[in-house]
Formats: sequence, C-alpha cells, structure tokens
Amino acid sequence: AQSVTQPDIHITVSEGASLELRCNYSYGATPYLFWYVQSPGQGLQLLLKYFSGDTLVQGIKGFEAEFKRSQSSFNLRKPSVHWSDAAEYFCAVGMDSSYKLIFGSGTRLLVRP
Amino acid sequence: DAGITQSPRYKITETGRQVTLMCHQTWSHSYMFWYRQDLGHGLRLIYYSAAADITDKGEVPDGYVVSRSKTENFPLTLESATRSQTSVYFCASSVRQPNNSPLHFGNGTRLTVT
Repeated sequence: AQSVTQPDIHITVSEGASLELRCNYSYGATPYLFWYVQSPGQGLQLLLKYFSGDTLVQGIKGFEAEFKRSQSSFNLRKPSVHWSDAAEYFCAVGMDSSYKLIFGSGTRLLVRP
Repeated sequence: DAGITQSPRYKITETGRQVTLMCHQTWSHSYMFWYRQDLGHGLRLIYYSAAADITDKGEVPDGYVVSRSKTENFPLTLESATRSQTSVYFCASSVRQPNNSPLHFGNGTRLTVT
C-alpha cells in the first residue's frame, strides 16, 4: 500500500541554523509531491510541489525540497530558519491512480531564540 | 474576500447528538474535501466531492454524511456523535484533482464530543 513517512515527530533548531525535514514515500511510480505548513490554529498552506522536471524545487518563505527517486524521498530544506517558521510541516503524496492525497503524520518544528 | 470558510470554529456536543459542520468556498473549485486531524495520524480523508451532487468515501467515512447540492457548499454531518469523533476537522478545495493540484484549506473546526 502507498504510504508517506515523516520519521521525525519533533525537531528543534536554533534561529539562523539550517533545517532539513525528512519525507519518504512508498509508491511504484513517480508521485506528485507536496509540502504543506500549518501554523497554530490555522489550516494547511502549500509550501511547494513537485510534479516533474527539475528535482530541486523552490517554494515560498525560502524553502526548497529535493526529489530523490533512488531514495524515495522528498526532503524539505531551509538554509536559515526564522522564529516565524515554527509550525507543523506535512509531506503529502498524490498518485495517478487516485484522486486522494496521502499525508504524512507531520513534523513539529520548534525554533530556539 | 475569496476563500474557504468553516463554521463553527469550535463546537462542543454530547454523545448521540447530530452535528453539522459547514464549509463554504468562493473560488468555484470543483473538488472539495473533509479531513480530520488527530495527533499521530496526520490528516485523514473522510469524504470528498468531485462536483456538485458527486461525493465519495475517503479513508474514514463511518459515522459521517456529506452532501453537495451547490458547488460552493460541502457540509459534513455527524449523525450520532461519538467521543472518537472528537477531532479537528478541515475542509479543503482544489481546482483540479488533488493528486496534482494544490489543496486550499479552511481554518478548521475543533469538535469536542462529551
């Protein structure tokens, strides 16, 4: 069965430090890949998406993600974290065979001053 | 302003009662969705709709009913609420199929069943 794994439930980084959030998926073909961010009390907002082409995609708020087919991964990165980046981040996978998105269980980012 | 609006933001109800969560979008998106968010489970799809009068079950549809008589509205009804339905519910919409089109989310309804 198709699945999405975010192995880190919580991550804490210092403001200004770099960030990498991990996402692995299980699917036989090339999926459609998304990262969403959820601030407290809010709905999810799209950060970036990968459908095809260049495997390094740029998103909003200075985030980027890299699709690695060989590792079935789509990790999210940011070179310098700001306090306002503290939120929960969700990886999601879409497949040609289904209308549905499958979400990972999320990673909560805490930012130390 | 255009967007997706959920109401109420907070709801407390008793076991066995019927409760309806409302969702309204102003973009005229074809697709609409209801998700529930629970700690450790991420988001799980309850029901979705590809167009007015077309609905289908998601991963966790039991105990829920939806309708979509108009494109812009997609209410979710808990016919007889149970404590296991205590959750945060999100409505979302997309212009095309969500496997290749971004979802736009409302701000959620926090439902507590006592």
